[in-house]
Amino acid sequence: GIQVEQSPPDLILQEGANSTLRCNFSDSVNNLQWFHQNPWGQLINLFYIPSGTKQNGRLSATTVATERYSLLYISSSQTTDSGVYFCAVGSTSGTYKYIFGTGTRLKVLA
Amino acid sequence: ETGVTQSPTHLIKTRGQQVTLRCSSQSGHNTVSWYQQALGQGPQFIFQYYREEENGRGNFPPRFSGLQFPNYSSELNVNALELDDSALYLCASSLGQGNYNEQFFGPGTRLTVL
Repeated sequence: GIQVEQSPPDLILQEGANSTLRCNFSDSVNNLQWFHQNPWGQLINLFYIPSGTKQNGRLSATTVATERYSLLYISSSQTTDSGVYFCAVGSTSGTYKYIFGTGTRLKVLA
Repeated sequence: ETGVTQSPTHLIKTRGQQVTLRCSSQSGHNTVSWYQQALGQGPQFIFQYYREEENGRGNFPPRFSGLQFPNYSSELNVNALELDDSALYLCASSLGQGNYNEQFFGPGTRLTVL
C-alpha cells in the first residue's frame, strides 16, 4: 500500500523562526490535507491541497503531485504553533482509504 | 454551521466489554469516516459510511462495526474490547463518498480499556 513519510520527525524552534515540513508519498493520490493536532487531540484543518500552492496568513503549502511530495511552510513561528503536524492522503486504491503520515512534532520556544 | 461533534469525551471500559461511540457530522455533510489513533501514532482509517452503508474499510477486524443514520450521524461499535483498543477515536465528515473531498474532524473520544 501507499507509504506516507514526514520529515523531520521532531523540530524545535525559537519564536519568530521559519520552518519547512515535508510529506513524501509513494503513489498517486486523490487528495492531500495538512492538519495541526493540538495537545487535546483536535485535528485542525490547515490546507486541502491535492496540487498547487495555497497561503493562509503565516502558513503556506505546496503540493507537487507528479513528484509525490508536499511542503508546509510556517513563517514567524509562535508558541501556539506547537503540536503535531500531519499530512493525510487519499489513496487511489479501491478502498477509499485515507492514510496519515508519520507526523512532525513541533515545539516553539518563547 | 455546526461542526463535527463526538460523544462521550472520555470512556473507561474493561477487557471483553462492548462500547458505542457517537458522531454527528458537520451540517451539509453526508459521509462519515472513523479513525483510531494510538498514543504517539498517526490516525488509522477504520471505515467510511456513505448513505448508511459501509463504503471502504481499513485493516480492522469485524468486531469493529458501524452504523450511519438518515440524518448522517454515525456510531462506531467495538465488541470484545482488548487492551490494545485503548486509543483516541476520531470521526471526520465530508461531502460525497470516496476520498476526494476535504475532511473535517471532531474532537475525539478517548477510550481506555483496563
